[in-house]
Amino acid sequence: GQQVMQIPQYQHVQEGEDFTTYCNSSTTLSNIQWYKQRPGGHPVFLIQLVKSGEVKKQKRLTFQFGEAKKNSSLHITATQTTDVGTYFCAGGRGGADGLTFGKGTHLIIQP
Amino acid sequence: DGGITQSPKYLFRKEGQNVTLSCEQNLNHDAMYWYRQDPGQGLRLIYYSQIVNDFQKGDIAEGYSVSREKKESFPLTVTSAQKNPTAFYLCASSSTGPSTDTQYFGPGTRLTVL
Repeated sequence: GQQVMQIPQYQHVQEGEDFTTYCNSSTTLSNIQWYKQRPGGHPVFLIQLVKSGEVKKQKRLTFQFGEAKKNSSLHITATQTTDVGTYFCAGGRGGADGLTFGKGTHLIIQP
Repeated sequence: DGGITQSPKYLFRKEGQNVTLSCEQNLNHDAMYWYRQDPGQGLRLIYYSQIVNDFQKGDIAEGYSVSREKKESFPLTVTSAQKNPTAFYLCASSSTGPSTDTQYFGPGTRLTVL
């Protein structure tokens, strides 16, 4: 079945440093979605990418979808304590297959 | 307010007992989902439903059952056949297809089986 690998599993950064998490799928995706889960909370939708090579920005967050539509990344510039949490990518193949979530990257920020 | 509610937030059960987790949404979404999350792990799909009176098994359906008698409700039963039921259970919904649309998550239920 489809697998979505996400690295790193944990990332410690000093406040103000940049952060990147990477997502790789074993199959070509129709779209990729990113979610953020705060400690003790539930996943909250951040963005969806659909087009090959697509890049989207949300303030300090930059999302990319690879040309082959098999990989994606999320980059946060100048992290803040409010960025703490787990970032999940979720790949969709279209149709009724559902989303396949990566295991997430836990972002820990040291002030 | 529109959204998804799950109850209870924390649930304790004895081994061998069935337990039903509630999930209700007033977003008028057609599709609903149940995920299981274990510590340090991602979300694994248990069951999903795209329409009333229809549902499909996800990746880890064994030991679980669901029903979808109403559009707004999608309860999950964790049966005694589930070998390791202690986990965080998340319900979600989306307006259309399961693979293309944004999923909105409820606050989750933490189930502990003693």
